[in-house]
Amino acid sequence: DAGVIQSPRHEVTEMGQEVTLRCKPISGHNSLFWYRQTMMRGLELLIYFNNNVPIDDSGMPEDRFSAKMPNASFSTLKIQPSEPRDSAVYFCASSRGGQGSTDTQYFGPGTRLTVL
Amino acid sequence: KQEVTQIPAALSVPEGENLVLNCSFTDSAIYNLQWFRQDPGKGLTSLLLIQSSQREQTSGRLNASLDKSSGRSTLYIAASQPGDSATYLCAVHGSSNTGKLIFGQGTTLQVKP
Repeated sequence: DAGVIQSPRHEVTEMGQEVTLRCKPISGHNSLFWYRQTMMRGLELLIYFNNNVPIDDSGMPEDRFSAKMPNASFSTLKIQPSEPRDSAVYFCASSRGGQGSTDTQYFGPGTRLTVL
Repeated sequence: KQEVTQIPAALSVPEGENLVLNCSFTDSAIYNLQWFRQDPGKGLTSLLLIQSSQREQTSGRLNASLDKSSGRSTLYIAASQPGDSATYLCAVHGSSNTGKLIFGQGTTLQVKP
C-alpha cells in the first residue's frame, strides 16, 4: 500500500491567496483526520471525517478554513484567504475504524505551507 | 480538558545507552495511548499502541508502559543507536471517544555515535 498521500509537499503563497491541500487516505480506511503542526502549539486536530462525513470540526480555527471529503479516497483542506499565521505543516492521517474509533492512525508526509 | 506533557523536551545520549522518555496526561479516563516517531521533515510513524486495559507493549528494542491511575507512560529504548535520533511524540485517545488524538509536544532525541 502506498500509505497516505498528500499534495503538494511544499506550498509558498502570498497573503490573501487561496490555498488547497489534498489528501488520499489508505484504501479501506473509514476515518480521515487533518492536523496542523507548529512550533508553538505542536500537533492539533483540525477536523475529522468518518465515512466521508465531518464528525468533529471543533479544531478548525476560523471560517477561513474549510474541509471536504467528496468520496472515500479524497479530501481537501482549503484556506481562503490565507494569512502568515497559517504557516505550518499540515498532516492528513487515516485509520480503519468507524466513528469514535481508537485504531492506529497512519500519517501522510505533510504539506509545509508558507504564507508570505 | 485533557493535556499531555512530555519531559524532557530534548535529550542527547551516547550510542548504546538505555533511555526512558516520559509522557504524562491529566485525565486518566483514556481509551489508549500511542507513541509516534517523527523524523525531520517527515510525517509520523506509529511505534506502539497501548490499550487502556494493558500495562505495556513491546516492539524490538522499544517497550512502552502505561499507568492510567497515575496518568503516566514511559517509552524505554534499549541499546540506543544513531538511527534512533528523531522526535518522539505520545498521544492519547481522550475520554470522549471521538477518535480524536491529543498530542504531547514531543521529546527530541539525539544519539551520538
